[in-house]
Amino acid sequence: GAGVSQSPSNKVTEKGKDVELRCDPISGHTALYWYRQSLGQGLEFLIYFQGNSAPDKSGLPSDRFSAERTGGSVSTLTIQRTQQEDSAVYLCASRGRQGPRVVTEAFFGQGTRLTVV
Amino acid sequence: RKEVEQDPGPFNVPEGATVAFNCTYSNSASQSFFWYRQDCRKEPKLLMSVYSSGNEDGRFTAQLNRASQYISLLIRDSKLSDSATYLCALSAGNTPLVFGKGTRLSVIA
Repeated sequence: GAGVSQSPSNKVTEKGKDVELRCDPISGHTALYWYRQSLGQGLEFLIYFQGNSAPDKSGLPSDRFSAERTGGSVSTLTIQRTQQEDSAVYLCASRGRQGPRVVTEAFFGQGTRLTVV
Repeated sequence: RKEVEQDPGPFNVPEGATVAFNCTYSNSASQSFFWYRQDCRKEPKLLMSVYSSGNEDGRFTAQLNRASQYISLLIRDSKLSDSATYLCALSAGNTPLVFGKGTRLSVIA
C-alpha cells in the first residue's frame, strides 16, 4: 500500500486476555518502530526493527510485551495478560534507507486504540 | 538529563503572531532531526526535516544548533489551522527515532 497500515483500528479487550496488533509498513522500508501513546502524553518508544539486525527491545515495558517482524515486512506486537494500564494508542512507523544509514523521516500508521476493561 | 526535552506548553497565541518552540537533546551523536505535527486523536505527520544550515518552508523555519544541542521551530503569521501539538524527533545513525513529549499550540482568533 501507499502508507503504513495498522489493524485493528480499535480493540477492546478484557483484562488478562492476550492481544495482537498488526503493522504493514511502507514497501521497501527497512526500519520499523512501535510506539505507545497514552491520552495527552508523548510517544513512548517500545521496539525498533532495522533490516536483519537484532531488534532494539529496550523500550518494552515488561515481559508481557513482545514483537516480531516476519520476512522484513509485517510486524506483530503482542501483549499478553493485558492490564488496564496497557490502554493506549499503539503507533507503528516505518522509515526508508539510503545506503547504510536510515535517513528518511518516519511515516506513521493511524494507530490501534487499545482499551483494556 | 532526558534524551529529548520540550516545553509542553500550551502556547496560546493570537492569529498572526510569531511563535517559537525549542527542543533540547542530550545525545551529541544525533544526526537526523525532524519536526512533526500531531492533531488531536491523529497520528504524527512530518512537518519538516531540520538541516544543519537551517531550512524554511513557507511560514515555518527550522534551525539546528549542534553546539548547544537544540533544534527550533519558528512559525510566522500563525493561522488557526496551526493549532496542534508539535513534536521534535531525532536519531543517531541507526538508533531508534526518539520523540519529545510535544508542545501544544493553540492559535486564537
